[in-house]
This record gives sequence, C-alpha cells and structure tokens, in this order.
Amino acid sequence: QVQLVQSGAEVKKPGSSVKVSCKASGGTFSSHGISWVRQAPGQGLEWMGGMIPFFDTTHYAQKFQGRITIITDESTTTSYMELSRLRSEDTAVYYCAREAMDSDHYYGMDVWGQGTSVTVSS
Amino acid sequence: EIVLTQGPLSLSVTPGQPASISCNSSQSLLHSDGKSYLFWYVQKSGQSPQLLIYEVSNRFSGVPDRFSGSGSGTHFTLKISRVEAEDVGVYYCMQGIQHGFGQGTKLEIK
Repeated sequence: QVQLVQSGAEVKKPGSSVKVSCKASGGTFSSHGISWVRQAPGQGLEWMGGMIPFFDTTHYAQKFQGRITIITDESTTTSYMELSRLRSEDTAVYYCAREAMDSDHYYGMDVWGQGTSVTVSS
Repeated sequence: EIVLTQGPLSLSVTPGQPASISCNSSQSLLHSDGKSYLFWYVQKSGQSPQLLIYEVSNRFSGVPDRFSGSGSGTHFTLKISRVEAEDVGVYYCMQGIQHGFGQGTKLEIK
C-alpha cells in the first residue's frame, strides 16, 4: 500500500521561496498523477496544481501561475512543489495527493500525505 | 472557471438519522467521455482529507455503504443513510475537470 511522506514544517520570510517534498513509499507515481492542495488556517481545501488525467502536462491553478512549480522524480519516487514570492497569505498546510486512475476509472485523490505546515512571517 | 457551491455549510444530526449535502456546479461536469467527474472527500479533525466517492456515485474502497453519491450535470448529492459519531468532519465536493473544491460542509453530532 503506497504511502506519501512529506517533508517537515517550514518558516519562511515574505518574498522567499519554499520547496516541499512528497515521497511515495510502497509504490510509485507511474501510471498515476500527483496533485498539491493547500489549506489556510480555518479555511477549506484549495487545489494548487498537479498532473491530472485531463492534461498531458502538469497543470496549475490560475491563481498560482508564475509562482508555482511541481516536478516529479520517478527515480526517487518523490514529487516537489516549490512556491515562490511568498506572502503571509501563503501560510497554510500543504498536502500532496496521488491522483489514481486505471483504464476504467478516475478514482480521484486516493492517497494523501500527512501535510506540511508552511508559515510565512517576517 | 467552474465554481462548486455546497449546502448547507453546517449540519447537526442525531446519530442514526440521515444527512444530505448538496453540491451545485456552475457548469456541467459531464465530460466528452460520458462520465461526470465529481468526487466527495471528508476531512476529520487534525487529519488529511480522505476520499469517499469517485465519479459521482462510486464508493471508494473501505467506505461504509451508508454513504452514497448521486447526481448528474450540475447537481450532485452526498447522502449518509444513518449518521454515526465517527462521521463528524468537514465534507468537500470536488470537480475533477479543473480540480476545484466546494466550500465544505461541517457535520456535527447532536
């Protein structure tokens, strides 16, 4: 059973960048996709971007275009999400999630990481 | 941009009673392949979200059969036939075409 293990909490200054990792253990990302979702304190879920079935390449939510980069290294079964030009509103818990699919179904985000807290503060 | 609107935003239910959450989309979620890509997730306190329902009405592995999803086009519903204490959490619908979430519905036990 695949598990997604994320890197530890981060504290960043406004204007800097953060890079969060998500390693798959007990499986790989191959034949599946990966998404990144964040949740600000007391708020709902917000999809940021990822490799999802309807796009051939990594797709980003318009809100994060130009500030976000998501890459997946199959050799290490690790996905990375980097967010630049951080501001206080980026303070949130960031989750990675596997986008599961096969020839019959698109299952959605079936396995989630434990979440990584990112605090942006001067 | 596809916008999902959930209702109600909070729900207080007596154990053993049913619960229903609606999710209305600003655009049809019917894909050209004939499927609608609407998912339901629950986030319990202090935990990562969990998948409940995929493709409108399919229960994910291990999800109790008291959970059911239905709907088509722009109107979708999650129903819990008999709420249990362990069902407490925030329920989100999500559309799989552009990957947006609804605002969430908080389910509490009376």
